[in-house]
Amino acid sequence: NAGVTQTPKFQVLKTGQSMTLQCAQDMNHNSMYWYRQDPGMGLRLIYYSASEGTTDKGEVPNGYNVSRLNKREFSLRLESAAPSQTSVYFCASILHSSYNSPLHFGNGTRLTVT
Amino acid sequence: DQQVKQNSPSLSVQEGRISILNCDYTNSMFDYFLWYKKYPAEGPTFLISISSIKDKNEDGRFTVFLNKSAKHLSLHIVPSQPGDSAVYFCAASGGSSNTGKLIFGQGTTLQVKP
Repeated sequence: NAGVTQTPKFQVLKTGQSMTLQCAQDMNHNSMYWYRQDPGMGLRLIYYSASEGTTDKGEVPNGYNVSRLNKREFSLRLESAAPSQTSVYFCASILHSSYNSPLHFGNGTRLTVT
Repeated sequence: DQQVKQNSPSLSVQEGRISILNCDYTNSMFDYFLWYKKYPAEGPTFLISISSIKDKNEDGRFTVFLNKSAKHLSLHIVPSQPGDSAVYFCAASGGSSNTGKLIFGQGTTLQVKP
């Protein structure tokens, strides 16, 4: 049981390049989330998918797009990377967003944009 | 505007003593609070939570206290162990139908000295 799996673990991009961060969960969770962590700022929500087929913006969505490919997979795309997007990105999932239960996080993707 | 604040960036305690981590929030709509623990190069892992209808929740060495009138919560770890050395994030949800939309504090780095 792997939980939440993120790929890649590390990535270096040049300004203007694009990339997709992959996330998959094997817990049969309905809702999935993308957060970013920056020093001194905790984690901030980028986008989320409450259920398969739906996506919504979080607190800091600018410069990102997402795709809920199926119930297991939720990808985050940077179309034109900027240095301000240098961060650690965490994918998370929850069984159902209406219930008070904790998020389960992946181990993150560390992205550097030069 | 930081809705969840952890005002102590770091805390150092001796093994066997009590660790107290603090968190303040401003949004009275928050009704579910969580603590996450994070080791380097790993994702946050859930530690303990509390609903706003309670003022205390205990799980082994970990106890979370909630003071709604002061909009303050704290995490007590007794006794502290070297393996508890990590970054601790306080998080809150509420005011939304989606409980995975968490607002995180900035984190407190706990060091437990042997």
